[in-house]
Amino acid sequence: KAGVTQTPRYLIKTRGQQVTLSCSPISGHRSVSWYQQTPGQGLQFLFEYFSETQRNKGNFPGRFSGRQFSNSRSEMNVSTLELGDSALYLCASSPRTGNNSPLHFGNGTRLTVT
Amino acid sequence: TQLLEQSPQFLSIQEGENLTVYCNSSSVFSSLQWYRQEPGEGPVLLVTVVTGGEVKKLKRLTFQFGDARKDSSLHITAAQPGDTGLYLCAGEGDSNYQLIWGAGTKLIIKP
Repeated sequence: KAGVTQTPRYLIKTRGQQVTLSCSPISGHRSVSWYQQTPGQGLQFLFEYFSETQRNKGNFPGRFSGRQFSNSRSEMNVSTLELGDSALYLCASSPRTGNNSPLHFGNGTRLTVT
Repeated sequence: TQLLEQSPQFLSIQEGENLTVYCNSSSVFSSLQWYRQEPGEGPVLLVTVVTGGEVKKLKRLTFQFGDARKDSSLHITAAQPGDTGLYLCAGEGDSNYQLIWGAGTKLIIKP
């Protein structure tokens, strides 16, 4: 069974630009969550999608948005990039929603903003 | 606000030594998950503990959930270089849709 696939693995952008990250969940998983990981901050929850609906959102500005398609693939968009957005962005899929459902993570997209 | 504090933040020991890392809170959690993240990869779920006082073993790793379900520990016996990684705990709290994450313990096992 293929794992969670995130593309691209690495990305370098300039301040003010926008970026789109992609996540393909494990087949059959309908929940996709996004996290931002920075040294010392741990995993910060961005949002969760289940059956194309955003179920929950973390404390991030509106520049961060996402969506989920009918095949459960998800994209995350960050507009007007800032230096502080440099981080590892992780996507996790799960067969069901709810915080007791085990998460299966991809290997992340490393975003560097210069 | 529910928080999970992990300690120590960083631990570097020699191969063959034993170690314990902790995940503490003042809040009660319904369950707690432990993940290991190796460099360049995403976190991988190791175990979920649900019942207060529960002990689970995964080869040389022993996980314990506190009796009051406010804390958890991970003990590694005879650590190996392959145990190197970032160990994260995540708790099922009051919110139905969002796990509470600790900041992690970065573990390095030197050969």
